[in-house]
Amino acid sequence: GESVGLHLPTLSVQEGDNSIINCAYSNSASDYFIWYKQESGKGPQFIIDIRSNMDKRQGQRVTVLLNKTVKHLSLQIAATQPGDSAVYFCAEIVGGTSYGKLTFGQGTILTVHP
Amino acid sequence: GAGVSQSPSNKVTEKGKDVELRCDPISGHTALYWYRQSLGQGLEFLIYFQGNSAPDKSGLPSDRFSAERTGGSVSTLTIQRTQQEDSAVYLCASSLGKEKLFFGSGTQLSVL
Repeated sequence: GESVGLHLPTLSVQEGDNSIINCAYSNSASDYFIWYKQESGKGPQFIIDIRSNMDKRQGQRVTVLLNKTVKHLSLQIAATQPGDSAVYFCAEIVGGTSYGKLTFGQGTILTVHP
Repeated sequence: GAGVSQSPSNKVTEKGKDVELRCDPISGHTALYWYRQSLGQGLEFLIYFQGNSAPDKSGLPSDRFSAERTGGSVSTLTIQRTQQEDSAVYLCASSLGKEKLFFGSGTQLSVL
């Protein structure tokens, strides 16, 4: 989940399929995780969050899974739609911080084909 | 309600010039952040303001970068003597607490 590199992972799916976007993080002290969606020309938009004392959280069409053992986070999008096409970022906050100093992953480009 | 507003949306400047970027946070949000997004570095934290506390400037890349927040609301990020490596999208965000940062659409800065 380091924010380095020019080549973002890509995921291409058909409309109606389920999508799974993965993220690895390195800091075991991180205790809060967020997924953001960024469309072209816009800032990151909050999707869903999860605390480290949980391993699953569901929202509308989205589910976040957290595996602290292997430091892995995933975002599942059900019935993916063309409007879901965007870059998806995971972000983490290290425990003990009193404010939102986010460390972002590199991002994954999701393309949904009609 | 209105979201985080940033201006200008695009700024083209010549190397060596100073630039000012503005951020209007969501009304009532006490915390304000600046991040930078570039192709080579992803999204990087720059600076954080919370109320009347001293800002956390730990992410500012050099002393050419500075920011202020007046009256606990509007913030200005200033870059002096711009360099080509400063070219990036500068994003402002605000929040009520440490969670759920709301981002503006950013200022695309191009230094020629």
